[in-house]
Amino acid sequence: DTAVSQTPKYLVTQMGNDKSIKCEQNLGHDTMYWYKQDSKKFLKIMFSYNNKELIINETVPNRFSPKSPDKAHLNLHINSLELGDSAVYFCASSQTPGREQFFGPGTRLTVL
Amino acid sequence: GESVGLHLPTLSVQEGDNSIINCAYSNSASDYFIWYKQESGKGPQFIIDIRSNMDKRQGQRVTVLLNKTVKHLSLQIAATQPGDSAVYFCAETLSGTYKYIFGTGTRLKVLA
Repeated sequence: DTAVSQTPKYLVTQMGNDKSIKCEQNLGHDTMYWYKQDSKKFLKIMFSYNNKELIINETVPNRFSPKSPDKAHLNLHINSLELGDSAVYFCASSQTPGREQFFGPGTRLTVL
Repeated sequence: GESVGLHLPTLSVQEGDNSIINCAYSNSASDYFIWYKQESGKGPQFIIDIRSNMDKRQGQRVTVLLNKTVKHLSLQIAATQPGDSAVYFCAETLSGTYKYIFGTGTRLKVLA
């Protein structure tokens, strides 16, 4: 059983398009996160959600809008995609803040 | 040996030798630290953690050392195996917050 899953694994799209990435965790965790990993492997937190409530928004452009329909899901919608959005996006969850995080397999987004 | 620069720092070790991966963390108030392993094409995977009230913690073949005086973490891997080849990240957080800060990562290459 996959603990944290993301779809799609690969996403190739044109500049200006709108796309979504989905994330689901079956660990019963209360807290979920989105990270962006650039080409140099640097991992930066974008959003943190706790019990469907947005807790952290790390100066991410408002073209990025996370949505949490329930505790087990945290989706990421991106409007008007730009070249600089190309990266690998990881979803993660933890039982509570301050505990180890479990990461999904990542979504590689390529904007042409 | 270890190399730093514009690329991801790389540590090359012979199979069977011990590896030591270092990390400098940023926030003296951080009280929880985690080491992750990221294999190619996968998400980061939890290896071991340590709280700030400890200075050493051991797992299976891995040991984490914490030096709060100089804000330094290290991960020691005993008898390094080819399967240990990956990028290793340290992460820090302050309990009760939702923000995790990741280090830049170190690529470990195990030479046969």
